[in-house]
Amino acid sequence: QQQVKQSPQSLIVQKGGISIINCAYENTAFDYFPWYQQFPGKGPALLIAIRPDVSEKKEGRFTISFNKSAKQFSLHIMDSQPGDSATYFCAASTYTGTASKLTFGTGTRLQVTL
Amino acid sequence: GAVVSQHPSWVICKSGTSVKIECRSLDFQATTMFWYRQFPKQSLMLMATSNEGSKATYEQGVEKDKFLINHASLTLSTLTVTSAHPEDSSFYICSASVAEDTQYFGPGTRLTVL
Repeated sequence: QQQVKQSPQSLIVQKGGISIINCAYENTAFDYFPWYQQFPGKGPALLIAIRPDVSEKKEGRFTISFNKSAKQFSLHIMDSQPGDSATYFCAASTYTGTASKLTFGTGTRLQVTL
Repeated sequence: GAVVSQHPSWVICKSGTSVKIECRSLDFQATTMFWYRQFPKQSLMLMATSNEGSKATYEQGVEKDKFLINHASLTLSTLTVTSAHPEDSSFYICSASVAEDTQYFGPGTRLTVL
């Protein structure tokens, strides 16, 4: 019930295209859904996050779409650039009173080609 | 803002020795810090949750006597890998919590045990 399923495992997109990564969860207690970007040998960097009271959030070229009834959320990267080539992790958490433990998806390796 | 540092960025040690990794929140006070472990091409695995001034909470399967965590102040947490062995070689990443759910990650520490 704590799993967050992420797909695809890897993704190749041409420069200028749209990259779409999907995640699904089971635990309805999750109330915070961040996306992280990780480059090789580096720590994850918070990209964008959403709460279940909104269906979409956009920050620059990054958009999260959230479907509460389907328990799914996705990351859209518009106008994908070679510099976006990285591993992307979705995550989910629920506040337990003292801390919010993140449950991570398995990651998607994105490659943006010229 | 919300910068987290780790030191060292990489360390090589002999089997049987202990290694200490520091995690610092540079521009904010973090009541909660988290320690993760990441194997190559895999997702992040939460090891423990650390609150300032109290004992860390370890995830199931993580040996608390092997991975000693100290959260001495609101800006510093340390992870000590005791009697390290080659199987402890991994990428260790800390994060610090600002608000209730937002976690900001450090750059990670690559540990290689010979």
